[in-house]
Amino acid sequence: GESVGLHLPTLSVQEGDNSIINCAYSNSASDYFIWYKQESGKGPQFIIDIRSNMDKRQGQRVTVLLNKTVKHLSLQIAATQPGDSAVYFCARTGNNRKLIWGLGTSLAVNP
Amino acid sequence: DVKVTQSSRYLVKRTGEKVFLECVQDMDHENMFWYRQDPGLGLRLIYFSYDVKMKEKGDIPEGYSVSREKKERFSLILESASTNQTSMYLCASTQGGIKGSPLHFGNGTRLTVT
Repeated sequence: GESVGLHLPTLSVQEGDNSIINCAYSNSASDYFIWYKQESGKGPQFIIDIRSNMDKRQGQRVTVLLNKTVKHLSLQIAATQPGDSAVYFCARTGNNRKLIWGLGTSLAVNP
Repeated sequence: DVKVTQSSRYLVKRTGEKVFLECVQDMDHENMFWYRQDPGLGLRLIYFSYDVKMKEKGDIPEGYSVSREKKERFSLILESASTNQTSMYLCASTQGGIKGSPLHFGNGTRLTVT
């Protein structure tokens, strides 16, 4: 069946280090992948997206990498800051008009 | 910026009550969604709507209904609340299809059914 999973449920990094959050997916039919950030007490907020015809896309301090061969998606955060502490969700389009969501990775940034 | 507003931040209801969760977006978005979020289960889609008076079932519609009488407002209705509907409810909207149009979420309504 279709699914989006996570390699690690929690990640702890030192302030200033780079963070890498991973997602694996099982169905290769998806053509659009998205990362969301959810801070405590708030709804998820869009970070960055990538289409399946790309391998890499960069934003401000964030990079998303897509490896379709091994069905793996990652979010890299450069120079992680305390404000980056949140739960990060990957999501992808399924075979219909719905998104398929991962379970989330909690990122904790240590000062 | 798009604003999605959920009318209640916290709600406590009794088993069997009829519950209305309201959501309003201010950017004239076509599409609106209701999710519930539970620890360890992620976000699960309850219902969505692509136009006024249009609705489609998501992955877990049982026990819920929705209403979209106006473009900016999407209501989630629990006809007879049960304790297993205790959860965080998130409303979202987007202009285009989900491919290339990120969802904009409200800050959620935490519902407790006792």
